Amino acid sequence: AQTVTQSQPEMSVQEAETVTLSCTYDTSESDYYLFWYKQPPSRQMILVIRQEAYKQQNATENRFSVNFQKAAKSFSLKISDSQLGDAAMYFCAYRFNSGGSNYKLTFGKGTLLTVNP
Amino acid sequence: NAGVTQTPKFRVLKTGQSMTLLCAQDMNHEYMYWYRQDPGMGLRLIHYSVGEGTTAKGEVPDGYNVSRLKKQNFLLGLESAAPSQTSVYFCASSYKRGYQETQYFGPGTRLLVL
Repeated sequence: AQTVTQSQPEMSVQEAETVTLSCTYDTSESDYYLFWYKQPPSRQMILVIRQEAYKQQNATENRFSVNFQKAAKSFSLKISDSQLGDAAMYFCAYRFNSGGSNYKLTFGKGTLLTVNP
Repeated sequence: NAGVTQTPKFRVLKTGQSMTLLCAQDMNHEYMYWYRQDPGMGLRLIHYSVGEGTTAKGEVPDGYNVSRLKKQNFLLGLESAAPSQTSVYFCASSYKRGYQETQYFGPGTRLLVL
């Protein structure tokens, strides 16, 4: 079974600085997707960034970028120029690309990010 | 375009009572999902549907039933609520384009079972 591990329950960063959130996963598959979701206090789950395992290039979305290390099964999220609005719980998630009907997302337990002014 | 909406936002039940959570999406997505989120844990899949009239069990299906009578709606039922079902419930939907798929989430329903 696939598992997703976020080893940092909590992180903090100063406004305007850079922070990296860690995520590792365990799978025997080679074709899959990885996601980072943000959950602010409103509890809404918001997609931050997505990475396709067959793509070697790391995904970027404005201030958010990932470091995808397929061999090490590592998928970290870097937030540059942190803003107060980045404060949230961040979840790493994995989905196996079966090409069939299994679209289950497996989530990590989350990292609570605090941004200090 | 409202995206994914959930009704109700919050509910208190007594043990043994029943209720239905409604999820609606206006994005013409084929796939819909119900997750639960408990403190200190990520979301866990309860049931999902890959199309109108079809449902399947996820990771934690016991105590729940679902129905997908219309493409845009996905209902989650609790026939006899238990305190262990106190949780925040999220609905999500997705559309498959080729091998790409992103799940979009509703705002959640907070359920308290006494």
